[in-house]
Amino acid sequence: GIQVEQSPPDLILQEGANSTLRCNFSDSVNNLQWFHQNPWGQLINLFYIPSGTKQNGRLSATTVATERYSLLYISSSQTTDSGVYFCAVDTGKLIFGQGTTLQVKP
Amino acid sequence: GAVVSQHPSWVICKSGTSVKIECRSLDFQATTMFWYRQFPKQSLMLMATSNEGSKATYEQGVEKDKFLINHASLTLSTLTVTSAHPEDSSFYICSARLTSGSDEQFFGPGTRLTVL
Repeated sequence: GIQVEQSPPDLILQEGANSTLRCNFSDSVNNLQWFHQNPWGQLINLFYIPSGTKQNGRLSATTVATERYSLLYISSSQTTDSGVYFCAVDTGKLIFGQGTTLQVKP
Repeated sequence: GAVVSQHPSWVICKSGTSVKIECRSLDFQATTMFWYRQFPKQSLMLMATSNEGSKATYEQGVEKDKFLINHASLTLSTLTVTSAHPEDSSFYICSARLTSGSDEQFFGPGTRLTVL
């Protein structure tokens, strides 16, 4: 089956710093979603991005489908950005990566 | 964005009992819903795909007789954990797929099940 790999697995930032999270996938997909799982377990939709670039405030994402990767950019990080970030690829069902655990320190 | 609710948010039960978890799409209709399981510090694992009006499709290794799924309407899917055992303790999350426009999935807040 398709493999989804996220890097880095863990990331510690100082408040105000920028970061890039990566998601590699091993086969063609219908679409790709990025999520933030908050400390209570709720998955929050960040981006639905099968290809191209999208921006939402301090977050932006780029998917290069032909090269099978997606990037999530977080600028001017805040402590509330802490949590786990998942990418998931859709092949008819969502296949999740293992996540990147982000800790933003004040 | 689309809203998905789950009930209950947490439940504690005795070993051998059954527990039902409800998943509702509040402001859209969903012909397809999904059930996931998440262990601490791990990713989400798809358990089954629930289609309105038909039998659920279970992932390999998921016992269909233990995890009963019913999708009786376009806004409600239920997961019943039958004869629960401590190893069934986990965080269960549902999602619903939009049926118009994109096929983006939206997730419920999850249900934390503890089996004593």
